[in-house]
Amino acid sequence: EAQVTQNPRYLITVTGKKLTVTCSQNMNHEYMSWYRQDPGLGLRQIYYSMNVEVTDKGDVPEGYKVSRKEKRNFPLILESPSPNQTSLYFCASSSRAQTYEQYFGPGTRLTVT
Amino acid sequence: LAKTTQPISMDSYEGQEVNITCSHNNIATNDYITWYQQFPSQGPRFIIQGYKTKVTNEVASLFIPADRKSSTLSLPRVSLSDTAVYYCLVGAYSGAGSYQLTFGKGTKLSVIP
Repeated sequence: EAQVTQNPRYLITVTGKKLTVTCSQNMNHEYMSWYRQDPGLGLRQIYYSMNVEVTDKGDVPEGYKVSRKEKRNFPLILESPSPNQTSLYFCASSSRAQTYEQYFGPGTRLTVT
Repeated sequence: LAKTTQPISMDSYEGQEVNITCSHNNIATNDYITWYQQFPSQGPRFIIQGYKTKVTNEVASLFIPADRKSSTLSLPRVSLSDTAVYYCLVGAYSGAGSYQLTFGKGTKLSVIP
């Protein structure tokens, strides 16, 4: 089944404790993105990647890191999480031929206390 | 970077046609317009995409005027299950072959029995 998976689905952590949210897709897509969703603000793009070893900032990259060492994986790293990063995070992927038809993962709800 | 503007919310009765308009005054020549649907606690789902004039699929129609500064998503005969947030998305190219996708804040559609 074609899908985007994220882990963990739920995470509660404390300020400053490094964490990684994994994202994996099995559709051989070139493009992958991370978004955060907050009430009243809609979806905002954090980082995106057009292919392996190619990443770029989205609208709200501060406080986040990403890497794209393999085509299927695109982890989101929070080196020192803060409470303002409490949010719902989505990973998405799309093919080069259908760039705008993104497939979204189920989401990761992160709470930083 | 093309920003989008949509109504925050809309109400409709079951069986009616619903039209949601998105404004994107700074759309670039190569940009496509894409609409997504999102149910609570789920990732967005692709509905329809277009470049100009009219596009129709089994779910919706998309109307784009000649100047492409706006677009209208049309949902025929809505049912309760169409209650969701609808996002208008316009792709923007930031040079060097990269792209950045910006979602609007979405329109919350409530379908009333």
